[in-house]
Amino acid sequence: QKEVEQDPGPLSVPEGAIVSLNCTYSNSAFQYFMWYRQYSRKGPELLMYTYSSGNKEDGRFTAQVDKSSKYISLFIRDSQPSDSATYLCATGIQGAQKLVFGQGTRLTINP
Amino acid sequence: GAVVSQHPSWVICKSGTSVKIECRSLDFQATTMFWYRQFPKQSLMLMATSNEGSKATYEQGVEKDKFLINHASLTLSTLTVTSAHPEDSSFYICSANNADTQYFGPGTRLTVL
Repeated sequence: QKEVEQDPGPLSVPEGAIVSLNCTYSNSAFQYFMWYRQYSRKGPELLMYTYSSGNKEDGRFTAQVDKSSKYISLFIRDSQPSDSATYLCATGIQGAQKLVFGQGTRLTINP
Repeated sequence: GAVVSQHPSWVICKSGTSVKIECRSLDFQATTMFWYRQFPKQSLMLMATSNEGSKATYEQGVEKDKFLINHASLTLSTLTVTSAHPEDSSFYICSANNADTQYFGPGTRLTVL
């Protein structure tokens, strides 16, 4: 079993839709949770960072962590074509140290 | 803030030559940097953890004599691919730690002919 499981997609939705991206993890010691966005042939860009359980909102993006079920989510509201990218979840015991990444979900927002 | 740069952004070399890739944290100091490899449509594969002033820690299966890592200062880590072969062709990405998270460079695409 992988430490972090993420549906690779691809996921295709119409512009303006609400997008839900999810990951599950197995190690209960993980405390730091990140979402990165990666455009083709570019390095990952940090989108959201949360510590422990709860929600965090930043503009159209909301990150949600449920440590009891080892489930992390990223919601994108009013999705735009520019949101089309691969989204990677990542987690670790210490945020700045070794991270474990999900496989990445390829998302396409259709105009 | 928290900008990480890589140089070069792409490189093509002949088989058997060595290639050096630089990773710099531009507006912060990073005691730890990480080197990843990414194949097309796949996730990031951690190759090694680079700590300033000490030897790098390599992940299982990564040849330390082939992928030489040097972290000489708090803002610079280098990855040298020695005696490169076509199978080393890949996208190499570094990241640097800042506060409680990692920030990634733009990546270096290596093609070995």
